[in-house]
Amino acid sequence: GAVVSQHPSRVICKSGTSVKIECRSLDFQATTMFWYRQFPKQSLMLMATSNEGSKATYEQGVEKDKFLINHASLTLSTLTVTSAHPEDSSFYICSATSGSPYEQYFGPGTRLTVT
Amino acid sequence: QKEVEQDPGPLSVPEGAIVSLNCTYSNSAFQYFMWYRQYSRKGPELLMYTYSSGNKEDGRFTAQVDKSSKYISLFIRDSQPSDSATYLCAMSEGAGSYQLTFGKGTKLSVIP
Repeated sequence: GAVVSQHPSRVICKSGTSVKIECRSLDFQATTMFWYRQFPKQSLMLMATSNEGSKATYEQGVEKDKFLINHASLTLSTLTVTSAHPEDSSFYICSATSGSPYEQYFGPGTRLTVT
Repeated sequence: QKEVEQDPGPLSVPEGAIVSLNCTYSNSAFQYFMWYRQYSRKGPELLMYTYSSGNKEDGRFTAQVDKSSKYISLFIRDSQPSDSATYLCAMSEGAGSYQLTFGKGTKLSVIP
């Protein structure tokens, strides 16, 4: 149980374009989903927290107009990187929780490369 | 000082060894302590979580929390090559806060 999927697993895009990443909880309803970013040999940095049907809460320093998050249902959240630049290249990981807020289940991650 | 400090390693041990992984933290408000395992290019997998001080055992894994020292540990007994991964500690204040603060992770290699 507690499976979270992400799509795509890898994406390459040109600078200036937008990219959408999907995060789905497959076998449970996720009241809260989280989006993290991980640079090589660095820890996970929380970007934003989203609750179904509500606006996402962004961490300090994360541009909400650049990283658009939509949590349309209890099983789906999307992260859209708008006007991507090479410095946005990173490993993006989502997580989800249901009931117990301290048991976050992570997706496999999406590697974004902006050329 | 960072909120959570974790020795990045790398740590290399022979198969069958006991492995000790540790994290220290500065925020006394942390109440929940988690250990995640992350294989290369994959998302983290929750191994165990502990509330407040004490020990928790699950098979070959034992988690210990010493809040007085702000120090947590993960022990792996009879380590296997399949345990080779990066281990991340994470902590949360609880009280309605879902936010996790992660350590940088310790890269472990178990040599057959």
